[in-house]
Amino acid sequence: QVHLVESGGGLVKPGGSLRLSCTASGFIFRDYYMSWIRQAPGKGLEWVSYISSGGDTIFYADSVRGRFTISRVNANNSLYLQMNSLRAEDTAVYYCARGSLTSVWYSFDIWGQGTMATVSS
Amino acid sequence: SYVLTQTPSVSLAPGQTARITCGENNIGFETVHWYQQKPGQAPVLVVYDDRHRPSGVPERFSGSTSGGTATLTISTVEAGDEADYYCQAWDSSSDHPVVFGGGTKLTVL
Repeated sequence: QVHLVESGGGLVKPGGSLRLSCTASGFIFRDYYMSWIRQAPGKGLEWVSYISSGGDTIFYADSVRGRFTISRVNANNSLYLQMNSLRAEDTAVYYCARGSLTSVWYSFDIWGQGTMATVSS
Repeated sequence: SYVLTQTPSVSLAPGQTARITCGENNIGFETVHWYQQKPGQAPVLVVYDDRHRPSGVPERFSGSTSGGTATLTISTVEAGDEADYYCQAWDSSSDHPVVFGGGTKLTVL
């Protein structure tokens, strides 16, 4: 069974840091591009970051560039999101999502259940 | 860069056909994908590359595009289709290429 499991969320004060992890199973992780996508309470989906299968191509949303860092360790089937200088507006459920190799133009066919990050004093 | 615009809500009775649209501000985005998200759950891909269904998605779900607008059509709507639906595209000219629409809440009366 194909699974993505996120962890690392929690409550942090403004200006603090969190490191999110996503562990993949049931597929050859190193073959797939991945993304982090977040959803603030009661709001829509907001893409956060993308990383290619080999980790050599990375993109960020303007709202997080310079504060968040995406990375992966293919040998460990793991995706990470280091979040620094956190703000209240970063409060959201963070999903990791697998890129679809069937899709020509970058869709996401498997999603984890998400991990909640709350930034509050 | 792309901006994807969705109607915030659609309401209809069971058995009717739902059409959820996704408008793009630049003519010629590559393709659009559609996700269904039920309350408390992660999104699920229901249509990719404008019109293709992943395995396991009912044939009642179909996608199309015309003149800069993508449409997700759900025929014979059921109570279980009540959810938020999001379109997504890839802007290959941007350094923040993944774009989501604001979402459409489908209510089955």
